[in-house]
Formats: sequence, C-alpha cells, structure tokens
Amino acid sequence: SAVISQKPSRDICQRGTSLTIQCQVDSQVTMMFWYRQQPGQSLTLIATANQGSEATYESGFVIDKFPISRPNLTFSTLTVSNMSPEDSSIYLCSGYRRHTGELFFGEGSRLTVL
Amino acid sequence: DAKTTQPPSMDCAEGRAANLPCNHSTISGNEYVYWYRQIHSQGPQYIIHGLKNNETNEMASLIITEDRKSSTLILPHATLRDTAVYYCIAPPTDSWGKLQFGAGTQVVVTP
Repeated sequence: SAVISQKPSRDICQRGTSLTIQCQVDSQVTMMFWYRQQPGQSLTLIATANQGSEATYESGFVIDKFPISRPNLTFSTLTVSNMSPEDSSIYLCSGYRRHTGELFFGEGSRLTVL
Repeated sequence: DAKTTQPPSMDCAEGRAANLPCNHSTISGNEYVYWYRQIHSQGPQYIIHGLKNNETNEMASLIITEDRKSSTLILPHATLRDTAVYYCIAPPTDSWGKLQFGAGTQVVVTP
C-alpha cells in the first residue's frame, strides 16, 4: 500500500488563526486530494491538489479559505484560514495510484477550533 | 458518481461471513465499484474494487451481479477489528481517484 503521512495529527487552535497541514506521499501516487470529515459525518472532498498549479476546488470550498499547494509530486499542504469553531473537523490527505486504481488515505489531522 | 445505496447498519457475529450489499442501478458500463472502510478515528482504508468480474484479495471478496446493478462485499471470517463503516462507491470513469463518499454501512462485529 502507498505510504501517506500527515502532520500535525491533531491540534487545538484559536478562532481567527490559520493552520497548515502537511502531507507527504510516496512516489507511486499520481493524484492528491484533500477531504474533510466533520464530526459524525462522512467524508467530503475539498479539492484536487495539482502539481505546480492552483488546486481545483469542489463546490462550497474556496481558495481564500482553504489554500492548497503542491510544489512537487509527493508533497502538498492545506491551510485552514481564519478558523472558526465550524472548521473543527478531521482533514484527510489522499493519494491515487493510477496504475492500480487505488486511493490511499493518511490518518488525518484532527483540528479543534476554540 | 453513480448513486449507491447501502443499508445504514448491520451486525455480524465474530467468525462468520459478513455480506455487505450495495445497489448501484445507474452505474454505467465502464464505472468501477470501489469499497472502502473506516475504522473509528482512522483514515479510510481501501478494500477492493472491480468492474464486472468477481474479485478477491487478502481482505475480502467482491461479487458483482451480471447486470452490474448491485454488488456484495464479503468478509469471509469477520473479526472484532472489522467493526467499521463500509463505503461502496461507483465513481465516473474519468474521476482518477476523486471519490464522493456516502453515509456507508456501519458494521458491528460482536463476539
């Protein structure tokens, strides 16, 4: 299976601040995605992280709130900006291995905003 | 994504086979069926995927009906560690890994 590591694994943040989550994948991954899982809910896709260009956002998510970078094939960051308690969620990085059709997930970053 | 329908929950006895159904009556000819599971407080885990033939790996078997309108994930000998939410997903052919997760089936394996 692909190796996907995220950090931080969890954090507690103050309202109005920003947090950047880092994701490192192994070289067999071609596509990278960011998901959000709100408490008691299923996963919701935030965006596709595009290498060397702007991310592609899903409906309801915007770059100003969730800026994403992917400077190279194996690394991406998601920033949650100007946080409010409603942003308290688990944020998950995922990587798609095209030649096997498998999507792998990191363990997630559990964010609590006070 | 083709719409998938799963029961919200099911129980299974430890050591018995768990058969998880999924309906995907609007699936198109080239769309795969994927199964993932999420154990509490962990990231989702890939289980298996298939197009039209039955598939088996070290974790599970996937049985797809001939008309492809439904499928069944089989965990041959359920253990307590198989307690999780199981997701059946049928993404568009050109999704390249971009998956839309539904509510899934909460499976509880009991001793």
